[in-house]
Amino acid sequence: NAGVMQNPRHLVRRRGQEARLRCSPVKGHSHVYWYRQLPEEGLKFMVYLQKENIIDESGMPKERFSAEFPKEGPSILRIQQVVRGDSAAYFCASSERTGAGANVLTFGAGSRLTVL
Amino acid sequence: AQSVSQHNHHVILSEAASLELGCNYSYGGTVNLFWYVQYPGQHLQLLLKYFSGDPLVKGIKGFEAEFIKSKFSFNLRKPSVQWSDTAEYFCAVNALDSSYKLIFGSGTRLLVRP
Repeated sequence: NAGVMQNPRHLVRRRGQEARLRCSPVKGHSHVYWYRQLPEEGLKFMVYLQKENIIDESGMPKERFSAEFPKEGPSILRIQQVVRGDSAAYFCASSERTGAGANVLTFGAGSRLTVL
Repeated sequence: AQSVSQHNHHVILSEAASLELGCNYSYGGTVNLFWYVQYPGQHLQLLLKYFSGDPLVKGIKGFEAEFIKSKFSFNLRKPSVQWSDTAEYFCAVNALDSSYKLIFGSGTRLLVRP
């Protein structure tokens, strides 16, 4: 009865390296969302994906960030050439369906990225 | 643009004290409202939600929240807190015309002293 599984829980990267964060949604959930939490701030929406499709990436920086949710396997949030400002907690959430009144998200424990 | 304000960033209470955490949102249309809790080192968990109906919503662990539409508020309450309620609490809003996007407040860190 696993919930949303994220790994790694903690990731340390040097400036210029790449970070890959993985998210396995709740079994049976086909909607995945990524949120970022900067220190002392609330969670900010980044991207919403369904299997093999990006539905809304309006919250994701245009450069260096990308996300995918392949037909098989976990959703991946990829950050290329990381900078110190990318240090944050990245939360993944999933839901069974979407639509008015139906959207209760289940969150993972988050991946904390530290850029040195 | 939609936004959610949580007025208290840090709250310190003694056990058995009553709790009220404020949450206001800015959006003129129909919304769904949520409170999530994050215990130290754990994932966000849903405390309670409001979709429609009775504006007084009861959640887990003795928490409740009241939706006051005229005040755009959804304050969280608990009559008597316990040390185990020490956590960070997030209010979130989901506008029905953007049904998948949750807008979060900045969170309130609650410390309950034994």
